[in-house]
Amino acid sequence: SQQGEEDPQALSIQEGENATMNCSYKTSINNLQWYRQNSGRGLVHLILIRSNEREKHSGRLRVTLDTSKKSSSLLITASRAADTASYFCATNSNSGYALNFGKGTSLLVTP
Amino acid sequence: KAGVTQTPRYLIKTRGQQVTLSCSPISGHRSVSWYQQTPGQGLQFLFEYFSETQRNKGNFPGRFSGRQFSNSRSEMNVSTLELGDSALYLCASSLTAPNEKLFFGSGTQLSVL
Repeated sequence: SQQGEEDPQALSIQEGENATMNCSYKTSINNLQWYRQNSGRGLVHLILIRSNEREKHSGRLRVTLDTSKKSSSLLITASRAADTASYFCATNSNSGYALNFGKGTSLLVTP
Repeated sequence: KAGVTQTPRYLIKTRGQQVTLSCSPISGHRSVSWYQQTPGQGLQFLFEYFSETQRNKGNFPGRFSGRQFSNSRSEMNVSTLELGDSALYLCASSLTAPNEKLFFGSGTQLSVL
């Protein structure tokens, strides 16, 4: 079952702008992860934020987590054309032995 | 370290046939998960294996099965293929549990005609 839901479904920006994607989920989590997928390829792990963390940074990425609202956001600063991809949030299932992915945000960064 | 390797990369089958997909995890990783990705349904969890044992299974019919070998390599099988089985099948590995960081292969693109 899909627990995470990303918003917006699609986002188009110009190089140099910031891109913000949101993720909402339904049940309690141990951690939340963000992945990136280039067209037709496998997913690449970007960042993991644990339930007791509120913000995490990695290079041009900034992730926030609000467990009271069951939501997370991914901010990509100073976007580049190479950032064009789909971005997914993922939360652990109740069993802990599967990740539930949302349907993703498709990001297009134009030069 | 080599990444997760999935073979074949592309596969074309006809309805009613069966197919076997292969996945070699990163060396030292013992957990292997499989996902089906389609434009309409997104990423759907199929199953997860650890030390040759299936620990979790998604909501798929019995035509979908898998196994893991003692060297952690995994295979998944789909019997009696249907048109709706056309999808990108992704394998992912992790050290011990998929609720930590997953490493994905490039996937097998299956087309059922």
